[in-house]
Amino acid sequence: DIQMTQSPSSVSASIGDRVTITCRASQGISSWLAWYQQKPGKAPKLLIYITSSLQSGVPSRFSGSGSGTDFTLTISSLQPEDFATYYCQQANSFPYTFGQGTKLEIK
Amino acid sequence: QLQLQESGPGLVKPSETLSLTCTVSGGSISSGSYYWGWIRQPPGKGLEWIANIYYGASTYYNPSLKSRVSISVDTSKNQFSLNLSSVTAADSAVYFCARYCATSSCYTDGSFDIWGQGTMVTVSS
Repeated sequence: DIQMTQSPSSVSASIGDRVTITCRASQGISSWLAWYQQKPGKAPKLLIYITSSLQSGVPSRFSGSGSGTDFTLTISSLQPEDFATYYCQQANSFPYTFGQGTKLEIK
Repeated sequence: QLQLQESGPGLVKPSETLSLTCTVSGGSISSGSYYWGWIRQPPGKGLEWIANIYYGASTYYNPSLKSRVSISVDTSKNQFSLNLSSVTAADSAVYFCARYCATSSCYTDGSFDIWGQGTMVTVSS
């Protein structure tokens, strides 16, 4: 199985801050990387697919980059509704696997 | 607008079989570009992919669960289902059903783009 490791596991930030979350795959996954946002008690919401493509309706302050084994999710200017847990997911090979999550908290 | 809704018992006894159904509304489960999947999340923990199915019945399972899990589709009811046998407390989780885009024709290729709200299943006697 491909292991997905996110860092940091948690981060505190303020409104307006720029935040970057990293996801590393245990082997190359080309560009088959998606990012999700999950709020407490809710289902995950797709933010980005194929590394850098923004899902319809997702604000442009979210962006993704990377290839191979190292990927990043960047939020350019944090808004109150962005405080949540973020997960990466690889779709290069079965079984699909998720990172352990990064909890973004208000400072 | 496509919606997914999980249904099934919220409490299952150890060693029994967990059975859940996902009903798809606002669109057809027979859409050629999509697979349909199950993902679970134990309380306070991360996400684990369980299985995917295509309406033509091609299936893909997580090897960690493959000996205990089966997924099926009923196109006449626009539903797909999950069975997980010989459950233990470790199978207690929120179970989500979701739509998976498997080709470039649905553009969100390689991702779960629509999710159900999730249903909590507790394994306890």
